[in-house]
Amino acid sequence: KAGVTQTPRYLIKTRGQQVTLSCSPISGHRSVSWYQQTPGQGLQFLFEYFSETQRNKGNFPGRFSGRQFSNSRSEMNVSTLELGDSALYLCASSLAVDSGNTIYFGEGSWLTVV
Amino acid sequence: GENVEQHPSTLSVQEGDSAVIKCTYSDSASNYFPWYKQELGKGPQLIIDIRSNVGEKKDQRIAVTLNKTAKHFSLHITETQPEDSAVYFCAATSSSGYSTLTFGKGTMLLVSP
Repeated sequence: KAGVTQTPRYLIKTRGQQVTLSCSPISGHRSVSWYQQTPGQGLQFLFEYFSETQRNKGNFPGRFSGRQFSNSRSEMNVSTLELGDSALYLCASSLAVDSGNTIYFGEGSWLTVV
Repeated sequence: GENVEQHPSTLSVQEGDSAVIKCTYSDSASNYFPWYKQELGKGPQLIIDIRSNVGEKKDQRIAVTLNKTAKHFSLHITETQPEDSAVYFCAATSSSGYSTLTFGKGTMLLVSP
């Protein structure tokens, strides 16, 4: 069975631009979460979606947003990019949203802001 | 909120030795504790997990132990091999009731042949 799929894998953007990242969860998984990974801050939670509704949100500015579609696929968007947004953005999926569900990660999208 | 501390930050062992990585968490309501292995340029790969109703779990050369009273859990890798070299992250669920993970800072494990 296919794992969590993220596109694009690598991208370079200029400050002030916006970016959209896409995630397809494991088949049958309905919960999708997004994390940002940087050398300085480590892995930090961005937000989680279940049944097209945002269920939980991390401590990130409003420039970071996301959505989930009826087929459980998810996108996240970062507007007005800053240099500090350069990071590996990871998508994770699980069967449901409640605590204790096994969570699987994708390979990530490497974003470089110049 | 939840806080997860992970030690050591780097660990060097000889092939065949055992490696132990330790984590502590702050939220006594946390109930799920996965471990992930991340190789260079890749996403975190789940290697083992444990739930709060279990004290120990093993999968071949890998084991995890959980002490709820002390709020710490550990990853044990026996008979290490060079391909075990990677960054290992521990994590815990928050008390929010959702599947949000709080991660430790990671341990870089280097296994020398």
